[in-house]
Amino acid sequence: AQKVTQAQTEISVVEKEDVTLDCVYETRDTTYYLFWYKQPPSGELVFLIRRNSFDEQNEISGRYSWNFQKSTSSFNFTITASQVVDSAVYFCALSEDIYSNYQLIWGAGTKLIIKP
Amino acid sequence: AAGVIQSPRHLIKEKRETATLKCYPIPRHDTVYWYQQGPGQDPQFLISFYEKMQSDKGSIPDRFSAQQFSDYHSELNMSSLELGDSALYFCASSLGGPRRETQYFGPGTRLLVL
Repeated sequence: AQKVTQAQTEISVVEKEDVTLDCVYETRDTTYYLFWYKQPPSGELVFLIRRNSFDEQNEISGRYSWNFQKSTSSFNFTITASQVVDSAVYFCALSEDIYSNYQLIWGAGTKLIIKP
Repeated sequence: AAGVIQSPRHLIKEKRETATLKCYPIPRHDTVYWYQQGPGQDPQFLISFYEKMQSDKGSIPDRFSAQQFSDYHSELNMSSLELGDSALYFCASSLGGPRRETQYFGPGTRLLVL
């Protein structure tokens, strides 16, 4: 069973639009961590954020914001006023305590295309 | 801030050849992870090391081996290369063991097997 689901395979928006990338996870652990990584066309994997299961506060970092909702097992990522440089594949990942010994469980990724 | 360093960045090999990929973790990081990422796929965990000991094993083929050295750098040795080994290989590092700490990734080594 897929533990991390990123249902949006590809999203295409015009620059300056807001865009939300969805991530739904599944776990039986009470202690777990959620991550977002960005992979631009150049290929590197860039860490964006880590959230632990006990902290449901939303986070904002510049144009990026994250909405963590345990009730719906979701950890969505919103880019406000998107820019062409935001074009990348974005991965959501889950790290569990008991069931996966903190190995990263990856979603399939969402390819975000920002058109000028 | 210093990041994870991987070398080489690109590598072309023939089938049945061997390859060695190197990874230098972020200074003070004691845990190293290796991943393989095929085109259009998410990274697949291969193996990890903590304090020079193997800590976890994923889907690493028997033809591959890895180790972590006293200075915490790691090497992934790949033998009898197959066409299917063509992929992007990432190294990541973290501090304090493969627990809940954030893994920071290197730029990757792009391996092409012809």
